[in-house]
Amino acid sequence: DAKTTQPPSMDCAEGRAANLPCNHSTISGNEYVYWYRQIHSQGPQYIIHGLKNNETNEMASLIITEDRKSSTLILPHATLRDTAVYYCIAMGLRNTPLVFGKGTRLSVIA
Amino acid sequence: SQTIHQWPATLVQPVGSPLSLECTVEGTSNPNLYWYRQAAGRGLQLLFYSVGIGQISSEVPQNLSASRPQDRQFILSSKKLLLSDSGFYLCAWSLAQAKSSTDTQYFGPGTRLTVL
Repeated sequence: DAKTTQPPSMDCAEGRAANLPCNHSTISGNEYVYWYRQIHSQGPQYIIHGLKNNETNEMASLIITEDRKSSTLILPHATLRDTAVYYCIAMGLRNTPLVFGKGTRLSVIA
Repeated sequence: SQTIHQWPATLVQPVGSPLSLECTVEGTSNPNLYWYRQAAGRGLQLLFYSVGIGQISSEVPQNLSASRPQDRQFILSSKKLLLSDSGFYLCAWSLAQAKSSTDTQYFGPGTRLTVL
């Protein structure tokens, strides 16, 4: 699976949009971009995934560049409960393990 | 909807004692099941995965073992715990018959194990 690069930490004001970047310049054509988050002492929570097109669900939006070398996770209105470590993962074949890097620690500030 | 349970939530065990962690999934049939470990301040390490009853694949040789006695039950065991076995153990499941070429893994709440 392709390696991903994320900033180690970010701050965001409560109520504002949180934009979390991820670089995956070596991603291959059949690899999806997955985002998970992990709130302290809890199991990772699936957020969203996509292949080429932008995706949106009730939690977030995922913007993937046309060359697929980077993506941005957008939390439209961050709340204090969104404080967590966010992981960007490139995953290909089914039934393969998730490889979590160090992620981005997002702190939402009141 | 599907839910995944793990127990116990926390566990403190002495070195050399046995271990049994249980994971169960509700609301789906024949899921893929995974055991991961997360050491303090580090990423997730896949330990075992299973695509069916009695089918276990080991990713890392160590003193841990896994079993799947029932379709939706996954057990992580050890005969003798080591200090290095301390960590956050996570069970995950995914759909075995996903329509897309990739499948999403969903995690349980985890078990925090401290070996003293």
